[in-house]
Amino acid sequence: QTVVTQEPSFSVSPGGTVTLTCGLSSGSVSTSYYPSWYQQTPGQAPRTLIYNTNTRSSGVPDRFSASILGNKAALTITGAQAADESDYYCALYMGSGISVIGGGTKLTVL
Amino acid sequence: EVHLLESGGGLVQPGGSLRLSCAASGFTFSNYAMSWVRQAPGKGLEWVSTFGQSGGTYYADSVKGRFTISRDNSKHIVYLQMNSLRAEDTAVYYCAKRDSKSFDCWGQGTLVIVS
Repeated sequence: QTVVTQEPSFSVSPGGTVTLTCGLSSGSVSTSYYPSWYQQTPGQAPRTLIYNTNTRSSGVPDRFSASILGNKAALTITGAQAADESDYYCALYMGSGISVIGGGTKLTVL
Repeated sequence: EVHLLESGGGLVQPGGSLRLSCAASGFTFSNYAMSWVRQAPGKGLEWVSTFGQSGGTYYADSVKGRFTISRDNSKHIVYLQMNSLRAEDTAVYYCAKRDSKSFDCWGQGTLVIVS
């Protein structure tokens, strides 16, 4: 059973920079997994931030960037704002039509 | 503008069935794979199923054999037939358009309660 791992929680100061990561319980994340990132605030549907490792979805500010860092996918928020306080999920494509979504990171901006 | 509207959620007894629908607009529906993703109360997102652009269907182990995804390209609707429902299937079910192996756009979700 493949598990996608994310930090359960993270905090950042307003204006600060934070990097959230997305790993695999076994193995390394690479571009072959087409990592994607989603933002969700309570009571709302998810919003797509990043797809195909590092491509920003339409309308996503360039404060959000993503990459592969070591053996994980990473989402970096630069110049964090109060509005960025949300849950962040990563998803990996495992092939054969199968996707796995991580447990999410709750980001607090304070 | 892409628009996805789910419907069909509601309260159902354990062992019962429900069919969810997702009406799509704003894009060439037949050109894209479509997925269902769910979120149990207070929990994270869980991929449920995908109907591939080429017609393949794929399921999470947790629903395999109980759920069936289908689509009607003429009506721009994707369905999720859910049978043998369990309490752990209680969740908000989101419809999502697929692109580049990711979930591109999302609907607002429909709530399914199994109790």
